[in-house]
Amino acid sequence: DIVMTQSPDSLAVSLGERATINCKSSQSVLYSSNNKNYLGWYQQKPGQPPKLLIHWASTRESGVPDRFSGSGSGTDFTLTISSLQAEDVAVYYCQQYYSIPITFGQGTRLEIK
Amino acid sequence: EAQLVESGGDLVEPGGSLRLSCAGSGFTFSNAWMNWVRQAPGKGLEWVGRIKSKPNGGTIDYAAPVKGRFTISRDDSKATVYLQMNSLRTDDTAVYYCSTGIQSDYWGQGTLVTVSS
Repeated sequence: DIVMTQSPDSLAVSLGERATINCKSSQSVLYSSNNKNYLGWYQQKPGQPPKLLIHWASTRESGVPDRFSGSGSGTDFTLTISSLQAEDVAVYYCQQYYSIPITFGQGTRLEIK
Repeated sequence: EAQLVESGGDLVEPGGSLRLSCAGSGFTFSNAWMNWVRQAPGKGLEWVGRIKSKPNGGTIDYAAPVKGRFTISRDDSKATVYLQMNSLRTDDTAVYYCSTGIQSDYWGQGTLVTVSS
């Protein structure tokens, strides 16, 4: 199984500042035949289902604000929120869909400092 | 826009069974890969299993903790995917979500399954 490890577990950032969440996979999730990283980022607010923000590691979903960006390749990935807004308070998960079983990171709780 | 609605969650005793349903609309259900993901109270997300679309072979995969106890099926004529859960254990207590696609593009609101005596 591919183990997904996020860091940090929790993060407090001031409004308007940058937030960075890291995700490391125990093996590469880059599929060489199409050069795509099978990695997604999700946002989950209390009492709500997860919402897909980023897929293929760096492709923002339609309607997701451009302050959210994803980067990385192979085994190391980053979700960056360029200027934190109050509505960004949530738990963020990375997920690999490269191989079965699909696995999630443990989650990173993002709060306002 | 795609919409998913789960139903069937309930309180059940250990060893019991339950069938969850997830009805889809607003997208071509027959072409969609469908996932089940669960979230125990206060915990993270755990993938349960997936069924591919029939054009992609209809393959079904399960997570190790549920393999042999849970069964995923689909009825494309009803745009519905099912999760049959047998031999339920207390650690199966969770909100169960269905989601679409290889990347879980859309999610339902979830249905709560509580396994307790």
